Amino acid sequence: KQEVTQIPAALSVPEGENLVLNCSFTDSAIYNLQWFRQDPGKGLTSLLLIQSSQREQTSGRLNASLDKSSGRSTLYIAASQPGDSATYLCAVFFGNEKLTFGTGTRLTIIP
Amino acid sequence: DAGVIQSPRHEVTEMGQEVTLRCKLISGHNSLFWYRQTMMRGLELLIYFNNNVPIDDSGMPEDRFSAKMPNASFSTLKIQPSEPRDSAVYFCASRAPGGRNTEAFFGQGTRLTVV
Repeated sequence: KQEVTQIPAALSVPEGENLVLNCSFTDSAIYNLQWFRQDPGKGLTSLLLIQSSQREQTSGRLNASLDKSSGRSTLYIAASQPGDSATYLCAVFFGNEKLTFGTGTRLTIIP
Repeated sequence: DAGVIQSPRHEVTEMGQEVTLRCKLISGHNSLFWYRQTMMRGLELLIYFNNNVPIDDSGMPEDRFSAKMPNASFSTLKIQPSEPRDSAVYFCASRAPGGRNTEAFFGQGTRLTVV
């Protein structure tokens, strides 16, 4: 069964710190992996897409890495800000083209 | 492009009534996904289409749920009859052709409450 796991479910970090969010998946035959952000009561905003042939992808203060062999991805956020507070979701496109989501990590940046 | 557009944003209906949720894809996209989000189960894929054809509907909870793509840019998700346990936020997402190079883009969701 193709599953995506995100641990921890919640994380609180003081403003200004760098942080890492984790995502693991059970099947190494992935198409690509996408990180999303969801604010309370809102839709999902795409942050980064990392293809199966890539090791990492960067956008501003965000850096996503992918290690297919170990079934892991990380989202690194540099110099965190209160506006980064949201739920971060990892989603994997497996070979069958289904986008399967993790349960998310709820991030709180403490001013 | 205005992105994926869903309507209505909020729907409150009585148990037993028919509910229709609507989704307009981003122009040029050819894959369409319907998801349901609840606190208990997170984001669940209900059904997805490719080039207007339903590819996998194994996530559709039961026969009360049906989805269609009458044309390449529009989809509906219908629940008939609705039940309180259908209360959730329903999202649709679309994706451009191009396989592993393309992102999925989500609409703002429809918050459904069945009383």
